[in-house]
Amino acid sequence: DADVTQTPRNRITKTGKRIMLECSQTKGHDRMYWYRQDPGLGLRLIYYSFDVKDINKGEISDGYSVSRQAQAKFSLSLESAIPNQTALYFCATSDQGRELFFGEGSRLTVL
Amino acid sequence: TQLLEQSPQFLSIQEGENLTVYCNSSSVFSSLQWYRQEPGEGPVLLVTVVTGGEVKKLKRLTFQFGDARKDSSLHITAAQPGDTGLYLCAGVPDGNNRLAFGKGNQVVVIP
Repeated sequence: DADVTQTPRNRITKTGKRIMLECSQTKGHDRMYWYRQDPGLGLRLIYYSFDVKDINKGEISDGYSVSRQAQAKFSLSLESAIPNQTALYFCATSDQGRELFFGEGSRLTVL
Repeated sequence: TQLLEQSPQFLSIQEGENLTVYCNSSSVFSSLQWYRQEPGEGPVLLVTVVTGGEVKKLKRLTFQFGDARKDSSLHITAAQPGDTGLYLCAGVPDGNNRLAFGKGNQVVVIP
């Protein structure tokens, strides 16, 4: 089983719908991150959390929200999805903030 | 402004050839990491370099950290089709606490 698990792996939705992407980890790391990846733009940080109840905005947080329900769980929500949020989303964990361990990704398509 | 510039963006070579890709910055980094991402998967950590001038080898992959800790290179000897992937460099600049990623070097090894 993967150390960092993302669900769903693929999702197609319509503009205006609420979407939640979930991430769980078994690595015991305190730090968790959500990134999105777009062709030509690389990985961009959406939100990160260093502990339960600690939430920090990344470089592209507008239109997204997160919840750190437990040390092992970090979910990303799109309250009202729009087409330019179509992307590949990655959850990652870290022990010291230097080396990241990524999930397999969630491909989201907003029509 | 991209903190880490990777070049070339895309490289296609024949199996058995050697290749080198680069990760450059005007900032000093306490360490740099290299990840490889295969299609449909999340990035996987290959190596971390910490000391200026450091060279690390991982089978046919050789990683070097620049003396001034501003750049790094990845050399692949006798490339194999399994080396195909997106190679990402990442690091935390001195005086900052956030990990930065380059946009990646897309390597294709043709059998």
